[in-house]
Amino acid sequence: NAGVTQTPKFQVLKTGQSMTLQCAQDMNHNSMYWYRQDPGMGLRLIYYSASEGTTDKGEVPNGYNVSRLNKREFSLRLESAAPSQTSVYFCASSNVGTNEKLFFGSGTQLSVL
Amino acid sequence: EDQVTQSPEALRLQEGESSSLNCSYTVSGLRGLFWYRQDPGKGPEFLFTLYSAGEEKEKERLKATLTKKESFLHITAPKPEDSATYLCAVQGGYNTDKLIFGTGTRLQVFP
Repeated sequence: NAGVTQTPKFQVLKTGQSMTLQCAQDMNHNSMYWYRQDPGMGLRLIYYSASEGTTDKGEVPNGYNVSRLNKREFSLRLESAAPSQTSVYFCASSNVGTNEKLFFGSGTQLSVL
Repeated sequence: EDQVTQSPEALRLQEGESSSLNCSYTVSGLRGLFWYRQDPGKGPEFLFTLYSAGEEKEKERLKATLTKKESFLHITAPKPEDSATYLCAVQGGYNTDKLIFGTGTRLQVFP
């Protein structure tokens, strides 16, 4: 039972570099999410996808793009990384509607120098 | 503005010493209040959902309760393995499914 799998676990980027965070779930969930978690702040929603083929902005979408490749996979891309994007990123999925009982991945710790 | 405030920020307990964590919220039209547990280096893990004032849910040593303004996570006779950060989140409003997370309470239970 893999659940939600995120790669990579750690990444260091230089300012201006680009990268894609990968996320896959094997629970046949319709909805998938990308959150960031910063010290002293709650989890903040970056983007979400309520179903295959749809994506919507969350609370903090600037500087990010997403792709819902299929029902299983939802990727997050940083086109030109900035130090303000240093954070821990979590992918999550849910089944019934949106937000009900989120299942989270183990996170990606990203540092932008 | 919708808001979630958790207190205390950190809590140290002796094994067996019961206590409560607080989650205060302001939201227009609460649709659900969620509790998650997060271990260091891992993603949050779902514990409970509460939907209406007066509702209570239990799981092992944990019991969550809900009023119109706040939720409590009661921990009875905690063990060291209960050490974690506990996150509260609310879903509210009539035109959004957005979850608003609190900053969490970091619980340490010592033997």
